[in-house]
Amino acid sequence: QKEVEQNSGPLSVPEGAIASLNCTYSDRVSQSFFWYRQYSGKSPELIMSIYSNGDKEDGRFTAQLNKASQYVSLLIRDSQPSDSATYLCAVASSPGGGADGLTFGKGTHLIIQP
Amino acid sequence: GAVVSQHPSRVICKSGTSVKIECRSLDFQATTMFWYRQFPKQSLMLMATSNEGSKATYEQGVEKDKFLINHASLTLSTLTVTSAHPEDSSFYICSARALRNRSGNTIYFGEGSWLTVV
Repeated sequence: QKEVEQNSGPLSVPEGAIASLNCTYSDRVSQSFFWYRQYSGKSPELIMSIYSNGDKEDGRFTAQLNKASQYVSLLIRDSQPSDSATYLCAVASSPGGGADGLTFGKGTHLIIQP
Repeated sequence: GAVVSQHPSRVICKSGTSVKIECRSLDFQATTMFWYRQFPKQSLMLMATSNEGSKATYEQGVEKDKFLINHASLTLSTLTVTSAHPEDSSFYICSARALRNRSGNTIYFGEGSWLTVV
């Protein structure tokens, strides 16, 4: 059974600091990895996707993937109070997650302290 | 803007009745749509994969006779919760896979539907 593990938190980070979110997954054949942000009562919104080992940067966000360690992380630089949300790690076995849906972790609740 | 629309966003129904939730892809054709359920403070759990023109594929533990899924066109999938009970109260979210890559992201989520069974 596919599993995606995240520390549920809450993770409290001062405004302007770097927030580091971590995720491990059990299925070695996973090919696609996603970070979603979900505000309370709302649908998740995609922050980053990453498919190959290494780092991928997009604005204040950097996703890191290490398939050998089955580990994916998300760094948020210059954290803002609006970044306070639950961050969901999601994994798929197919490229782009298109064929078989996503397996989600339980999410990490991030709090950015002003 | 939203590319996948869900309706209704909130619904309250009486125990024993059925409720239908619609998921529409607004500006692309979706051969595959996914239905998720999320209980409070829990993760999204995939319920079923809906393929246009064929029967849905349900995840283990999801009752196909209780959660009826219809994907009659490339832009619409519906989830009907039959004989709803209070334990079915949850946040139901659909997602749709675009036929072509768009900005590197092939999956789009709907806004979600809150179901409360009283």
